[in-house]
Amino acid sequence: DAKTTQPPSMDCAEGRAANLPCNHSTISGNEYVYWYRQIHSQGPQYIIHGLKNNETNEMASLIITEDRKSSTLILPHATLRDTAVYYCIVRVVAAGNKLTFGGGTRVLVKP
Amino acid sequence: ETGVTQSPTHLIKTRGQQVTLRCSSQSGHNTVSWYQQALGQGPQFIFQYYREEENGRGNFPPRFSGLQFPNYSSELNVNALELDDSALYLCASSLADPSSYNEQFFGPGTRLTVL
Repeated sequence: DAKTTQPPSMDCAEGRAANLPCNHSTISGNEYVYWYRQIHSQGPQYIIHGLKNNETNEMASLIITEDRKSSTLILPHATLRDTAVYYCIVRVVAAGNKLTFGGGTRVLVKP
Repeated sequence: ETGVTQSPTHLIKTRGQQVTLRCSSQSGHNTVSWYQQALGQGPQFIFQYYREEENGRGNFPPRFSGLQFPNYSSELNVNALELDDSALYLCASSLADPSSYNEQFFGPGTRLTVL
């Protein structure tokens, strides 16, 4: 699985959009980009995933650059409950369910 | 909540002892994975079970072993505990053929402390 690079931490104002970057310059053509988050004292929670098209669901939007070397997770209206560690993961679907977590980005949403 | 439960919530053991951690998968899920999360780090994949057989393993020694039961509950066993085994142990279940991906649902974890 390709390696990802994320900033270790970032702050966001409550009610504003949070834009979380992820670099995956060695991503292969058959690797998807996944985002999970882990709220304190809980297990990781799936947010969204995509291959090359932008994706949106009820939690977030995922923007993948045309060359697929980077992506951005957007939380459109951050709330205090979005304070968590966010993990960007790239993986081949055929590899089964193994997830390779990096250090993630610690997001603090402030009032 | 994901419907995945783990027990116990917290556990304290001493070096050299053995420990068994338990996971109850979400109803209908046939695949379970176990992860170890040291303090301040991301989870690390230990192994995965599908239809009661190990189906993929991370870089963990053989003293880490597991079982998956017909009702899809599972156990993680760790023998000869070391201080570095202190961590949060997470299980994740999914309804999957291991050759494809389905969303994984994580339990809240078991916090193991080895003294």
